[in-house]
Amino acid sequence: GAGVSQSPSNKVTEKGKDVELRCDPISGHTALYWYRQSLGQGLEFLIYFQGNSAPDKSGLPSDRFSAERTGGSVSTLTIQRTQQEDSAVYLCASTRDRGDPLQYFGPGTRLTVT
Amino acid sequence: DQQVKQNSPSLSVQEGRISILNCDYTNSMFDYFLWYKKYPAEGPTFLISISSIKDKNEDGRFTVFLNKSAKHLSLHIVPSQPGDSAVYFCAASVVGSQGNLIFGKGTKLSVKP
Repeated sequence: GAGVSQSPSNKVTEKGKDVELRCDPISGHTALYWYRQSLGQGLEFLIYFQGNSAPDKSGLPSDRFSAERTGGSVSTLTIQRTQQEDSAVYLCASTRDRGDPLQYFGPGTRLTVT
Repeated sequence: DQQVKQNSPSLSVQEGRISILNCDYTNSMFDYFLWYKKYPAEGPTFLISISSIKDKNEDGRFTVFLNKSAKHLSLHIVPSQPGDSAVYFCAASVVGSQGNLIFGKGTKLSVKP
């Protein structure tokens, strides 16, 4: 079956512009996570969705970041007024359900803010 | 404050020898640990995991050891192969919580033919 997919694979944007990153989780997986990996760093948790529950936004670095998940499936991460420090690889992962520690990752979106 | 630490950013090993990647953690609530492998331009792929009720888990050439008293785990790869060259991430979680993984910064393994 299909794994987690993300689009675009690469995005170059000018400072101050808004960007949208998309994640398609594995079909049937109820939990979805966004992480980002900055250069030389580990993966940093951003936001978590479980079914129709309110998302856990505790990892979002600023109010310029937001995410939604429509119909319990596809998720979009939006970064408004991008800054150069937002440059990173943004990774999406999904799991069968809440508390299942085995996460399956997508290939990521490499965001470059110039 | 890093809860999961991989203190070696890189490791170089000769093909056929053993690779040992180390990971330390500070949060005693962690009860599940995973190793992920990442190639350039790809997402991390799950490699092997261990529950805190065990001290060893083996899967083919890969073995993970857990020392809870020392809050330390290690991944052994034997024999190492050139295709094992990648970045290896250690991750920890609390089972039953929301499940987000806490990652180390990774160790880049190079296996030389």
